[in-house]
Amino acid sequence: QSVLTQPPSASGTPGQRVTISCSGSSSNIGSNTVNWYQQLPGTAPKLLIYRNNQRPSGVPDRFSGSKSGTSASLAISGLQSEDEADYYCAAWDDRLNGVLFGGGTKLTVL
Amino acid sequence: EVQLVESGGGLVQPGGSLRLSCAASGFTFSGYWMHWVRQAPGKGLVWVSRINNDGRSTNYADSVKGRFTISRDNARDMLYLQMNSLRAEDTAVYYCARPVGDTRNAMDVWGQGTTVTVSS
Repeated sequence: QSVLTQPPSASGTPGQRVTISCSGSSSNIGSNTVNWYQQLPGTAPKLLIYRNNQRPSGVPDRFSGSKSGTSASLAISGLQSEDEADYYCAAWDDRLNGVLFGGGTKLTVL
Repeated sequence: EVQLVESGGGLVQPGGSLRLSCAASGFTFSGYWMHWVRQAPGKGLVWVSRINNDGRSTNYADSVKGRFTISRDNARDMLYLQMNSLRAEDTAVYYCARPVGDTRNAMDVWGQGTTVTVSS
């Protein structure tokens, strides 16, 4: 069981805006920045958001991140079929001295 | 082109050992912390270990502490993961990953992964 809690699934229709939540604690999200990854089937993960809300070059501005207290969210606007993937949040945990990943959220584009 | 290429995976019996390698190219390897992350079949991502630029500082997930050792050879641009006392639950695709910019943990370059299967 992951210490960072994500909903196992989410869905939306093309063009819609969806959000994926990530809940942690004071030792991880509460005191460190959050990163988000996208993983398409059969491929390596891709960094989508780092330091809570920064996008690496090449990531569309349809993807955005936010953090408040011990929770974080990933928002995807203008949903597209190619956004169908697994999404993971991650953060350093000061108590465990390691990186924690959320359990992952499978996004379905209806 | 910035690239990471893992190798060394395979089938090993429980209790056995394996050494994974990750060849880096296209960037100044010695300037970055490096990570190993694994993914069991049909499961989520799990962080395994990280090492700092010069190899003097390491961290491990509790599940592998005392059994796995991360190391690096900056002269050869190579990252390693020595895995001992392997268990069935270590079966996974193992990825090496490099953080972005001056971060330590936001991994923006990933290898293609190497598969480790622990089974008798």
